Amino acid sequence: NAGVTQTPKFRVLKTGQSMTLLCAQDMNHEYMYWYRQDPGMGLRLIHYSVGEGTTAKGEVPDGYNVSRLKKQNFLLGLESAAPSQTSVYFCASSHSEGAGEPQHFGDGTRLSIL
Amino acid sequence: GQNIDQPTEMTATEGAIVQINCTYQTSGFNGLFWYQQHAGEAPTFLSYNVLDGLEEKGRFSSFLSRSKGYSYLLLKELQMKDSASYLCAVRPYLTGANNLFFGTGTRLTVIP
Repeated sequence: NAGVTQTPKFRVLKTGQSMTLLCAQDMNHEYMYWYRQDPGMGLRLIHYSVGEGTTAKGEVPDGYNVSRLKKQNFLLGLESAAPSQTSVYFCASSHSEGAGEPQHFGDGTRLSIL
Repeated sequence: GQNIDQPTEMTATEGAIVQINCTYQTSGFNGLFWYQQHAGEAPTFLSYNVLDGLEEKGRFSSFLSRSKGYSYLLLKELQMKDSASYLCAVRPYLTGANNLFFGTGTRLTVIP
C-alpha cells in the first residue's frame, strides 16, 4: 500500500548544481502536483499535471521544470539550484473525477541549497 | 489573488474541545478541504465541505459558511496525538487539476 512515494527524502546541494526529485504513485491517479512548503508560507503549488504527457505552471514555477512521461511518475527538476529553493517539497496526486476528491501526499523531500 | 487566513498557533487541554477557524477570499469557490500534518510528515486529508453546514466525522467536524467566506474545524475529546498543524485549503475553480490554495496552517499543541 505505497500510495505516493518520493525520492530522495533528504538532499544537500551546492548553489548551481542540478537535481531531479522523483514522485511515484500507485493509485492510477490522473492528476499530480508538486508543492513547496516554507515556514510561514504554507504549501505553494509549483507545477501540476492533468495526465500523462501534460504539465502546467502553478503559483511559483520559476526555477523548476517538470515532466510526466508515465502516468505514475512526476519528476521535478532544478536546473541550477539557488539558496532560495531550500525547502520541503511535497508531491501529491488525486483522481480527476469527484468534486470532493482529496489530494494524497508523499512524505516529502527536504532539500538544502548551500 | 487568493487569501486564506488561519491563526498561527493554538493550545488546548487534553479532553477539551478546540475550534480552528479559517477565513478565505478567493476568485471562486468549489470546495474547502482540511488537512492534518504532524511535524515532519505528509499532510493527510481530514474533511471536505462544499455546501453550507456541518460535516461530522467521529471526533472531527467541519463547518462552512460560503456567504461569510468562513470555515472551522472542530476537534472534540482532544488527545495528545492531535498535536499537529491543521491546514485549510480552498479550491477556487473546477478547471486545471482542481488546484488547491492553502493557508499557512494552525499549529495545535495539546497539553495534559
